[in-house]
Amino acid sequence: DIQMTQSPSSLSASVGDRVTITCRASQSINTYLNWYQQKLGKAPKLLIYAASSLQSGVPSRFSGSGSGTDFTLTISSLQPEDFATYYCQQSDSIPDTFGQGTKLEIK
Amino acid sequence: EVQLVESGGGLVQPGRSLRLSCAASGFSFSSYAMSWVRQAPGKGLEWVSVISASGVSTYYADSVKGRFTISRDNSKNTLFLQMNSLRAEDTAVYYCASGGYYSYFEYWGQGTLVTVSS
Repeated sequence: DIQMTQSPSSLSASVGDRVTITCRASQSINTYLNWYQQKLGKAPKLLIYAASSLQSGVPSRFSGSGSGTDFTLTISSLQPEDFATYYCQQSDSIPDTFGQGTKLEIK
Repeated sequence: EVQLVESGGGLVQPGRSLRLSCAASGFSFSSYAMSWVRQAPGKGLEWVSVISASGVSTYYADSVKGRFTISRDNSKNTLFLQMNSLRAEDTAVYYCASGGYYSYFEYWGQGTLVTVSS
């Protein structure tokens, strides 16, 4: 199985900050990497698919990059509604695997 | 509007069975692979199972293989998860989601809580 490792596990930031979350795969997954946002008590929401494609309706302050084994999710200017937990997920091979999550908290 | 509505969760004793359902609307259900993803209390997301759009192909996480069965009824736009021989470690919120099978999870249900306890 492909292991996905996110860093950091938690992050404190302020409204307006630029934030970057990293996801590393244990083997190459090309660009089969997706990002999700999950707020407390809610279902995950797709933000980015295929490493860098913005899902419809997602604000443009979210962006993704990377290929192979190293990927990043960037939020260019944090808004109050962005404080949540973020997960990466590889769809290169079955079983699908998720990172352990990055909890983004208000500083 | 896309909707995925799970049902069938609840409290069940270890070793017993439970069947989850997921009713889909607002998109072409029969064109999508469908998955179950679970989340234990306070933990991260864990993929459980996927079924191809036609229903011919199915895959399972090792943790549930041989105990859980995924199925679908495309005539009724409904996804199922039959869970047998339940264990305490199966306690989680179970989400149905469109996709998987080499694709991202685009649509998600609100989740249904399964608690396995005596």
